Amino acid sequence: GENVEQHPSTLSVQEGDSAVIKCTYSDSASNYFPWYKQELGKRPQLIIDIRSNVGEKKDQRIAVTLNKTAKHFSLHITETQPEDSAVYFCALRGDDKIIFGKGTRLHILP
Amino acid sequence: NAGVMQNPRHLVRRRGQEARLRCSPMKGHSHVYWYRQLPEEGLKFMVYLQKENIIDESGMPKERFSAEFPKEGPSILRIQQVVRGDSAAYFCASSPSGQLNTEAFFGQGTRLTVV
Repeated sequence: GENVEQHPSTLSVQEGDSAVIKCTYSDSASNYFPWYKQELGKRPQLIIDIRSNVGEKKDQRIAVTLNKTAKHFSLHITETQPEDSAVYFCALRGDDKIIFGKGTRLHILP
Repeated sequence: NAGVMQNPRHLVRRRGQEARLRCSPMKGHSHVYWYRQLPEEGLKFMVYLQKENIIDESGMPKERFSAEFPKEGPSILRIQQVVRGDSAAYFCASSPSGQLNTEAFFGQGTRLTVV
């Protein structure tokens, strides 16, 4: 079945620096790759997504890149701010359901 | 347009009781997904439903757990004879269709505590 590996599990960056989270997957049929942000005690919220017909998408300080040949996709957060501290999940749609990575806990250091 | 609505937000059950978790999808959404999240862990897929149909229940435990999404009313995740290990946050998400490139939005979750 589908599988998605996410790294790192924890990431600490200085405020203002960039953060990068990477995911790899196995099912080449996957063509939709969303990223969710989950703050403590809250629901996962969709922050950006990318479809397989594009290689990169940007929304202000957040960008996602997709390499379908290598089967990996990444989330990039630039100019990090304290409110970026949260758990980030990559995901993909394979077959019928959305499968999630195990999450990356991002700490923004003052 | 209200988002995905889950209730109750918090549910406490004694061991052996039944837990019923409800999920009303966003207006216009006919596909519902249930996920379980243990503390400090990721989102584990349980079941995917369309109106009156279970599409994929590969993540659902074979015993004590069941789900439905009737023609009218919310989707229900039912856990019979709950045990301590069932304590978790249960999230549902909905999407407008099952097409591979459509986004899903999450409800606030139900936090089940079994005492």
